[in-house]
Amino acid sequence: DGGITQSPKYLFRKEGQNVTLSCEQNLNHDAMYWYRQDPGQGLRLIYYSQIVNDFQKGDIAEGYSVSREKKESFPLTVTSAQKNPTAFYLCASSIGGTSYEQYFGPGTRLTVT
Amino acid sequence: DAKTTQPTSMDCAEGRAANLPCNHSTISGNEYVYWYRQIHSQGPQYIIHGLKNNETNEMASLIITEDRKSSTLILPHATLRDTAVYYCIVRVAGLYNFNKFYFGSGTKLNVKP
Repeated sequence: DGGITQSPKYLFRKEGQNVTLSCEQNLNHDAMYWYRQDPGQGLRLIYYSQIVNDFQKGDIAEGYSVSREKKESFPLTVTSAQKNPTAFYLCASSIGGTSYEQYFGPGTRLTVT
Repeated sequence: DAKTTQPTSMDCAEGRAANLPCNHSTISGNEYVYWYRQIHSQGPQYIIHGLKNNETNEMASLIITEDRKSSTLILPHATLRDTAVYYCIVRVAGLYNFNKFYFGSGTKLNVKP
């Protein structure tokens, strides 16, 4: 089955530690995205990538980093510079950057204490 | 991108039509209206989109007013599984325009038995 996988579903870390969230897709999509969602709020765009080896900052990129070395993978690193890292993180992909439909993964809930 | 305004929450009886309104009074001529929904703790799911004509697919219908300043998403026979947050998004789409969606707070639809 084609789709997007994010692992793990729940992640716990101590403050000051970097943590990497994985996102893999087997849909052969060119574009991939990372969003952050806080309780009761909408989604905010962290980073996006339209093609391999290229990515752009979204609205709230500070304290985060990404890489896009392979078409199917777009990992997100939450660094210790991110002031409030506890959130629900969602990865998405689309056929291209102009596609109207984004496909979302199940999300990773990160808790930092 | 044009801003959208949606009610915070709505109730609907199971089996009845759910009509979710969205105001986008500053919409431009080349901006599309998209609808996504997010079931609790899952990633958003694409529902439908349109420019000026009414649209229908297997999930819903989209009615856009003639002046395009507002639209309504219609779920013809709501079920308990339609309980979710519904996002109305306005975005320019085109070959050279990257689809950076803005997911606001949306409307929480509660379908009741």
